[in-house]
Amino acid sequence: DQQVKQNSPSLSVQEGRISILNCDYTNSMFDYFLWYKKYPAEGPTFLISISSIKDKNEDGRFTVFLNKSAKHLSLHIVPSQPGDSAVYFCAARRGRQGAQKLVFGQGTRLTINP
Amino acid sequence: DSGVTQTPKHLITATGQRVTLRCSPRSGDLSVYWYQQSLDQGLQFLIQYYNGEERAKGNILERFSAQQFPDLHSELNLSSLELGDSALYFCASSVGLEVPSGANVLTFGAGSRLTVL
Repeated sequence: DQQVKQNSPSLSVQEGRISILNCDYTNSMFDYFLWYKKYPAEGPTFLISISSIKDKNEDGRFTVFLNKSAKHLSLHIVPSQPGDSAVYFCAARRGRQGAQKLVFGQGTRLTINP
Repeated sequence: DSGVTQTPKHLITATGQRVTLRCSPRSGDLSVYWYQQSLDQGLQFLIQYYNGEERAKGNILERFSAQQFPDLHSELNLSSLELGDSALYFCASSVGLEVPSGANVLTFGAGSRLTVL
């Protein structure tokens, strides 16, 4: 039961352009959505998150949009830089306090071309 | 360096064997989480410990067990290994009991890559 899905295994974008990574979910009980970035041979690192009661959160070049009716979120990176080349995981949090879980998508490998 | 230390980095073993993966959380963090990432899969949550007690459980097999010790380091024990157990195993830590939603982040280690032959 894949509750969080990233349907694009890979994405290639030219440097300076916008990168848009997408994520779909099925469970309406998720209360937070997070994006993690992973470089080879390293663990994932937190990038940005959004509460389920908001529809947009911005942090510098990174913006996350949430469309609850469509159960869809997206991460926009503008402008894209070569250092953004990494695997991006979408994750969603569910569960009552004290027994929460993060459910991750399969990841999207983003390549920024010079 | 994230502050979360996982050992060993790589491990190759045979089917039927038992291995132990170790995790030292970031200083000050009381929660430890274990995740499994198989080929082309997302990170699958296995288990969470908070200050020595099991707090949340995911799809962890009965052949797998974990514990968190008084010094807060954690071990994940995998027994009767099968080929399908080959994966990257990540440990993560956070300060509190609640899974971080942002500012108070979940910090991952670099992972232990297990290969079962």
